[in-house]
Amino acid sequence: GEDVEQSLFLSVREGDSSVINCTYTDSSSTYLYWYKQEPGAGLQLLTYIFSNMDMKQDQRLTVLLNKKDKHLSLRIADTQTGDSAIYFCAETYTGGFKTIFGAGTRLFVKA
Amino acid sequence: KAGVTQTPRYLIKTRGQQVTLSCSPISGHRSVSWYQQTPGQGLQFLFEYFSETQRNKGNFPGRFSGRQFSNSRSEMNVSTLELGDSALYLCASSPGRGGAEAFFGQGTRLTVV
Repeated sequence: GEDVEQSLFLSVREGDSSVINCTYTDSSSTYLYWYKQEPGAGLQLLTYIFSNMDMKQDQRLTVLLNKKDKHLSLRIADTQTGDSAIYFCAETYTGGFKTIFGAGTRLFVKA
Repeated sequence: KAGVTQTPRYLIKTRGQQVTLSCSPISGHRSVSWYQQTPGQGLQFLFEYFSETQRNKGNFPGRFSGRQFSNSRSEMNVSTLELGDSALYLCASSPGRGGAEAFFGQGTRLTVV
C-alpha cells in the first residue's frame, strides 16, 4: 500500500544537528523529497533524491537513502531557530503522477 | 519567475454550497497537482493534471473535481460542501516530466460553516 511514516516531533538545541527520519513502502518510488512548511505558508521544496542515489548533500542539508530498508533521513547541520517548521517526507510513484506525503515532523529549535 | 499563485487565499462557505479554487502554475509548467491538508489527515493527494488531462486521482468522493485549461491554469471544484471539507487546499506545479520537483502555492484556506 501507499504509506510514508515520520515521527511527529523533534526538539533540538540551536547549533546542534537535527536528524529527521522517514520510512516509505513503495520500492518502485522514483524520487523522494523533503519539504518544509512554516506557519501559514505552503510547502517549500528543500531537496530531493533520486532513488538510485544513496546520499545527497546541499549546504547544511544531507539526505541519506537506504533503499533496502526503505528509510530516508534529513540531517540539518548547525540547526538555527529559523529552521523551526514542519518537515514533510514525500515519495513519487512510478510514472511521477502522484506524490504521497508523510504526516510531517514538527521541528522545535531551542535557543 | 513568478511562483505558483492560488486564489482566493481564504474562503468561508456554508454547508451545501459549492466552491471553485484556482491555481496558476509557474510559467512553462504543464503539470498541476492538488492536495488537501488537514490537521487530522495530513496532506492527501486529490488529482493531477497534465496538458488538460487528469493523469491520476486520489481517494476522494466525486464531489471533488478539477480541470485544467490550455494555458495550464487549473481549477478544482467541491460541490455540496460538508464541514469536513474545511482544509488548506494546496496546488503544486511541475514541468510534468514525471517525478520532477513540485513547487507549491500558498494554498487556499477553506472554512465550511
